[in-house]
Amino acid sequence: EVQLVESGGGLVKPGRSLRLSCTASGFTFGDDAMSWFRQAPGKGLEWVGFIRSKAYGGTTEYAASMKGRFTISRDDSKSIAYLQMNSLKTEDTAVYYCSRRRVWTGSYYYFDSWGQGTLVTVSS
Amino acid sequence: DIQMTQSPSSLSASVGDRVTITCRASQSISDYLNWYQQKPGKAPKLLIYVASYLQSGVPSRFSGSGSGTDFTLTISSLQPEDFATYYCQQSYSAPYTFGQGTQLEIK
Repeated sequence: EVQLVESGGGLVKPGRSLRLSCTASGFTFGDDAMSWFRQAPGKGLEWVGFIRSKAYGGTTEYAASMKGRFTISRDDSKSIAYLQMNSLKTEDTAVYYCSRRRVWTGSYYYFDSWGQGTLVTVSS
Repeated sequence: DIQMTQSPSSLSASVGDRVTITCRASQSISDYLNWYQQKPGKAPKLLIYVASYLQSGVPSRFSGSGSGTDFTLTISSLQPEDFATYYCQQSYSAPYTFGQGTQLEIK
């Protein structure tokens, strides 16, 4: 069974940094791209970014509003994906989810497994 | 960015009803469209991918259709556990945007 468990959330002051972790089990972690999403309180879902598998260069893509402040990385030896968040703003307050990205026939992406989420609160 | 618009934003229905939720993209996205269900305090759950493919383990009362800019999610006979919020998402191009959600409530 695929399991994803996020950790590292909490209360942080504006301008500070925080690193979230997503620990995976139940599948060959290194074979899949991993993505992060977020959901502000009472709001909808927002894609943050993803990191491809090493077989596809381990490259990353980000939503424009987070590019330059957020960095996704992975440690395949530990089956962990990370989301490093710098220069945090109050509007970054949200539940952050990690998800496994799947590919169908080479170009169709979908996100089939999700963690339970971790709450990040940015407030002074 | 591709904008995704769902309608209605909220919907009241009864157990056993047939329900349809619509999702419209601001440009053609072929069939690069996924549907998710989310219950309060829980993570999203994938229901449908590539517009019409049922995710493993999802009941067959859920179905998806559409291509281009207009898509639908249909629940053929509502069950008590189906009351939740539903989101469409395009995977045609980054950023992979979602609709605003449709909250399905018990009548």
